[in-house]
Amino acid sequence: NAGVTQTPKFQVLKTGQSMTLQCAQDMNHNSMYWYRQDPGMGLRLIYYSASEGTTDKGEVPNGYNVSRLNKREFSLRLESAAPSQTSVYFCASSTSGGLRTQYFGPGTRLTVL
Amino acid sequence: AQKITQTQPGMFVQEKEAVTLDCTYDTSDPSYGLFWYKQPSSGEMIFLIYQGSYDQQNATEGRYSLNFQKARKSANLVISASQLGDSAMYFCAMREAQISSGSARQLTFGSGTQLTVLP
Repeated sequence: NAGVTQTPKFQVLKTGQSMTLQCAQDMNHNSMYWYRQDPGMGLRLIYYSASEGTTDKGEVPNGYNVSRLNKREFSLRLESAAPSQTSVYFCASSTSGGLRTQYFGPGTRLTVL
Repeated sequence: AQKITQTQPGMFVQEKEAVTLDCTYDTSDPSYGLFWYKQPSSGEMIFLIYQGSYDQQNATEGRYSLNFQKARKSANLVISASQLGDSAMYFCAMREAQISSGSARQLTFGSGTQLTVLP
């Protein structure tokens, strides 16, 4: 009954440090997504993977890279963290095709000092 | 132009009363889905209800119903018999069928409405 899992839940970085946020889903979904949520705002898409082996940029991709490791896992990497990347990061997954909902992980709260 | 507009930054409702949270949307795609998510203070995103653009009837899920007015491009969430546990941020979102620039049918979110249920 795991659904979408994310690690870590909290992280503090210094400017210029790098890190990778991990995401995994056990629902056999083809599509996976990374969003960020800034205070007082809705979620904005960073990157997505429509299917295993493909990734594409979303609305706010600058400063991030992603890897679709296999069907289950989709990671988000910050190569050189900046204070503007302080945010809550959500991973989501959905079946491809159709318009049904995306299922979200619990989020990672990242602070860059 | 904003694709999803939620004009109520904050709302208050008395426990056991009904409340309507507003959402208007903008799309030229004839096929789309509309969603409401709840985000409590703990931070997780909880899916509440879905309405497809071709659905003839308004969606309902327990105490949640979606008042879908296609001509007005509105998709308001109605919560009946409010409970203290309903206090949370509520987001309206849309997913369009046409794939533009390989968008994989991403969700586009509004800015949210903070609902507070008063005892």
